[in-house]
Amino acid sequence: SYELTQPPSVSVSPGQTASITCSGDKLGDIYASWYQQKPGQSPVMVIYEDTKRPSGIPERFSGSNSGNTATLTISGTQAVDEADYYCQAWDSSTVVFGGGTKLTVL
Amino acid sequence: EVQLVESGGGLVQPGGSVRLSCAASGFTFSAYWMHWVRQTPGKGLVWVSRIKSDGSSTSYADSVRGRFSISRDNAKNTLYLQMNSLRAEDTAVYYCVRDGSATVTFFDYWGQGALVTVSS
Repeated sequence: SYELTQPPSVSVSPGQTASITCSGDKLGDIYASWYQQKPGQSPVMVIYEDTKRPSGIPERFSGSNSGNTATLTISGTQAVDEADYYCQAWDSSTVVFGGGTKLTVL
Repeated sequence: EVQLVESGGGLVQPGGSVRLSCAASGFTFSAYWMHWVRQTPGKGLVWVSRIKSDGSSTSYADSVRGRFSISRDNAKNTLYLQMNSLRAEDTAVYYCVRDGSATVTFFDYWGQGALVTVSS
């Protein structure tokens, strides 16, 4: 079965750039999406189809996907961005999520 | 405003059954694929099942195939998940989720979740 691998945790200083990776076999050949989840809340989509931002998501969120790695980039990270982030892809009629990355803004 | 409101969760004994419902509003329910995604407390997201917009096609994760059944009533704008032969490892928050694309699959709207606890 298809698997997506994320680092368990990423730390970033306020105002700096955070990059969260998601790795999977030939992931660049399929679309990746990203979700933000804060404690006690439902997930919110922040990137879809590799690079697109839904309405209402700040411009500091961006995405890329090539080769075996998709990346979520948060530029000028703010304290409110501290959350768990999950990547997601669709492969052979099965939806797969990465294990999640806890972003800490120090 | 798109809203997805789950109901039907609670405490159920191992081997028991429960049916979750998800009331949808604010969009044309019959035009969208819908999914269930679950999350064990403190753990990650796991896809459970999906159903085509007209209900003619369904898919399941290996862990629930043969025990869970997804369905929908487009006249009532409601999604269902019938969960049978429940196990302790099925304990989770179950989210009703809208698929924003008929071809790619991404989840643009999520419900607040319904907690199902399987325990004696």
